[in-house]
Amino acid sequence: AAGVIQSPRHLIKEKRETATLKCYPIPRHDTVYWYQQGPGQDPQFLISFYEKMQSDKGSIPDRFSAQQFSDYHSELNMSSLELGDSALYFCASSLITGGAYGYTFGSGTRLTVV
Amino acid sequence: GQNIDQPTEMTATEGAIVQINCTYQTSGFNGLFWYQQHAGEAPTFLSYNVLDGLEEKGRFSSFLSRSKGYSYLLLKELQMKDSASYLCAVRDNTNAGKSTFGDGTTLTVKP
Repeated sequence: AAGVIQSPRHLIKEKRETATLKCYPIPRHDTVYWYQQGPGQDPQFLISFYEKMQSDKGSIPDRFSAQQFSDYHSELNMSSLELGDSALYFCASSLITGGAYGYTFGSGTRLTVV
Repeated sequence: GQNIDQPTEMTATEGAIVQINCTYQTSGFNGLFWYQQHAGEAPTFLSYNVLDGLEEKGRFSSFLSRSKGYSYLLLKELQMKDSASYLCAVRDNTNAGKSTFGDGTTLTVKP
């Protein structure tokens, strides 16, 4: 079965550079969520989209932005990167009516800022 | 917002039963999830409770009491591969029903 695809798997950037993370949700899933997980921490909610519209915003820095495109894939854009942005970034998708099935997470993008 | 508490670490023996507790205080509730996460990997969905009571799924069961803001995940017949972090997550009742995660409980299963 198709899963949530994230790219790239690993990314190394220097401070003050920009990064773009991509997420391809499970086909027919209408909701996408982005989470940031630092070492030894729980996933922190960044932002979500429902039917290509931003639906909720969490602890996402102003330096970050995200959007969902007409084909339902989503991109997280990160600018002026800081060392503290080093983390695992997960994208998850679900059906808004299928809450009982939880989220399906992608394998994540490990971002390292040096 | 959501405030979710879980024990940080637990240790149990292979073949035994372990119960991982989760308490939450929420401004909006639309279900509680349990996820399993191995180090460096994505969380995987284990269970979902939205009504009070016990949900059983093979070796894993999850219980919810909404009035007490309390849930537990019960793992039976523990196996070494069950060593992982277990995350309790509360879904809110916003448009897309985002989930807020607890800090996770690291379970170590010993032979």
